[in-house]
Amino acid sequence: RKEVEQDPGPFNVPEGATVAFNCTYSNSASQSFFWYRQDCRKEPKLLMSVYSSGNEDGRFTAQLNRASQYISLLIRDSKLSDSATYLCVVNQGGKLIFGQGTELSVKP
Amino acid sequence: EAGVAQSPRYKIIEKRQSVAFWCNPISGHATLYWYQQILGQGPKLLIQFQNNGVVDDSQLPKDRFSAERLKGVDSTLKIQPAKLEDSAVYLCASSLPGSGASLSAQYFGPGTRLLVL
Repeated sequence: RKEVEQDPGPFNVPEGATVAFNCTYSNSASQSFFWYRQDCRKEPKLLMSVYSSGNEDGRFTAQLNRASQYISLLIRDSKLSDSATYLCVVNQGGKLIFGQGTELSVKP
Repeated sequence: EAGVAQSPRYKIIEKRQSVAFWCNPISGHATLYWYQQILGQGPKLLIQFQNNGVVDDSQLPKDRFSAERLKGVDSTLKIQPAKLEDSAVYLCASSLPGSGASLSAQYFGPGTRLLVL
């Protein structure tokens, strides 16, 4: 089983749609969680941290379920500029473990 | 504020040749990371430095890969000899000191895209 596993994608959605990405992790001792965004042929950039209580940043909402070892990212009112690969990232003992990424393509 | 700098941006070599990558982290960032990202996968940590000391190199193929950070600032990653499966993007990242649950946000450089023929 992979340490961090994400929806395989790609997700193709129209502008304005709501889209959700799912991620599971195998190590219950994982300490903190993040979503990174990676544009085509660019470096990953931190999108948001994920807190146990859930957190929101504008159109983006991240949730964590420690009991199920599950993380999600919800994007509301998708924009063309949201097209990218979204990486689920888990901190295990001070080391970041990246999922394989889920590609999102937002179409006009 | 300047970001993480890496060079070269692209490199094409033949198998069994050697190659070196350079990274200059964000000023003041004591922690430096090298990642390998193969097409279609997420980045995989190769080595982590805290100042000029190695914190984690458990996933570095030490028979062919080496890295150093002699003065606690710039770092170089070397592959000698290269194999076809080393074709990937090599990303350098840096962060403020932090460990365990208090791991600080990592900032990535643009990467070096390596193709081994």
